[in-house]
Amino acid sequence: DTGVSQDPRHKITKRGQNVTFRCDPISEHNRLYWYRQTLGQGPEFLTYFQNEAQLEKSRLLSDRFSAERPKGSFSTLEIQRTEQGDSAMYLCASSLAGSPEQYFGPGTRLTVT
Amino acid sequence: EDQVTQSPEALRLQEGESSSLNCSYTVSGLRGLFWYRQDPGKGPEFLFTLYSAGEEKEKERLKATLTKKESFLHITAPKPEDSATYLCAVFSGSARQLTFGSGTQLTVLP
Repeated sequence: DTGVSQDPRHKITKRGQNVTFRCDPISEHNRLYWYRQTLGQGPEFLTYFQNEAQLEKSRLLSDRFSAERPKGSFSTLEIQRTEQGDSAMYLCASSLAGSPEQYFGPGTRLTVT
Repeated sequence: EDQVTQSPEALRLQEGESSSLNCSYTVSGLRGLFWYRQDPGKGPEFLFTLYSAGEEKEKERLKATLTKKESFLHITAPKPEDSATYLCAVFSGSARQLTFGSGTQLTVLP
């Protein structure tokens, strides 16, 4: 399978704990995006990378959120001190630079109790 | 700020009953309008990209069209397996990420 993959698919955590998600993009894609989706809404942009450089961050991305893409391949999204409002589906997408078409992974469903 | 509004929020059709979903948008410098299909608990699946007014794309029972203010996703003779949420998104020159609408939840009854 050469699509975008995400791990884990589901995560249940207690409020105040830290969580980390991983995304592996399509291998030749050099742009990687993170989105958050809550029930009944479309995905909302969080941040994106071109290769290893983080080029844009949404104001939705509070100080508790950090994303990395250390070698320009896979990316991690960490949420520190989770809150119940962080419960959502976290989606990763990738694209080729210069192409607006983004391909999404299956998502990580986070539940904060 | 880019804005995307989809209507209706939900649509129930009988199998074979054709209909259209609407996506209206406000952007500065449209670089592309996208339609995605999303099944429950899964990530969005890419369907179409439209780049300029007047453009049309087709795939099986789906046809997407674009004007300067809106896009339509026409569904001809739908089947129950077409049941899903259909998302519309725009990519503009002022933003380098997709801005999504809230989606239309389509249910096709056998």
